[in-house]
Amino acid sequence: EAQVTQNPRYLITVTGKKLTVTCSQNMNHEYMSWYRQDPGLGLRQIYYSMNVEVTDKGDVPEGYKVSRKEKRNFPLILESPSPNQTSLYFCASSLKAGTSYEQYFGPGTRLTVT
Amino acid sequence: AQSVAQPEDQVNVAEGNPLTVKCTYSVSGNPYLFWYVQYPNRGLQFLLKYITGDNLVKGSYGFEAEFNKSQTSFHLKKPSALVSDSALYFCAVRAPPASGGSYIPTFGRGTSLIVHP
Repeated sequence: EAQVTQNPRYLITVTGKKLTVTCSQNMNHEYMSWYRQDPGLGLRQIYYSMNVEVTDKGDVPEGYKVSRKEKRNFPLILESPSPNQTSLYFCASSLKAGTSYEQYFGPGTRLTVT
Repeated sequence: AQSVAQPEDQVNVAEGNPLTVKCTYSVSGNPYLFWYVQYPNRGLQFLLKYITGDNLVKGSYGFEAEFNKSQTSFHLKKPSALVSDSALYFCAVRAPPASGGSYIPTFGRGTSLIVHP
């Protein structure tokens, strides 16, 4: 089954404790991205990757890191999480980076930072 | 800069009645427009998109959307609503590269659709 998977689905952590949220897709998609969803703000893009070893900042990249060493994986790293990073996070992928391609989303990771 | 507005936080409709979820956009050049649906505790799912051609686009689950360039709108519609259509709906826009568009799509804030039995 074609899908985007994320782990963990739920995470509660404390301020400053480094964490990684994994994202993997099995569709051989070139383009992958991370979003956060906050009430009243919709989805905002954090980082995106057009292909292996090619990443770029989205609208809200502060406090986050990403890497794209393999085509299928695109982990999101929070080096020193803070309470304002409490949010619902989605990974997404699309066949190519072209703007006409729709995205496929993972199930989401709900992160709480205390 | 590109932007999307979904003017209604919530839309209520009775089962069997037609539904409309509104979306207006602002972008340089011809837009690429998308609708996604988010069911509770799930990720977003693609419903339909407008790239070029026929202004009426048909998508999944019986949904359709009409692109209106003069009104800069892309409203989502369905002739007969189902209770199972109750979900959060997001409109998104991208500007094509020739217009200086980026790979960062802009999403609306979402509209909660509630279909009453």
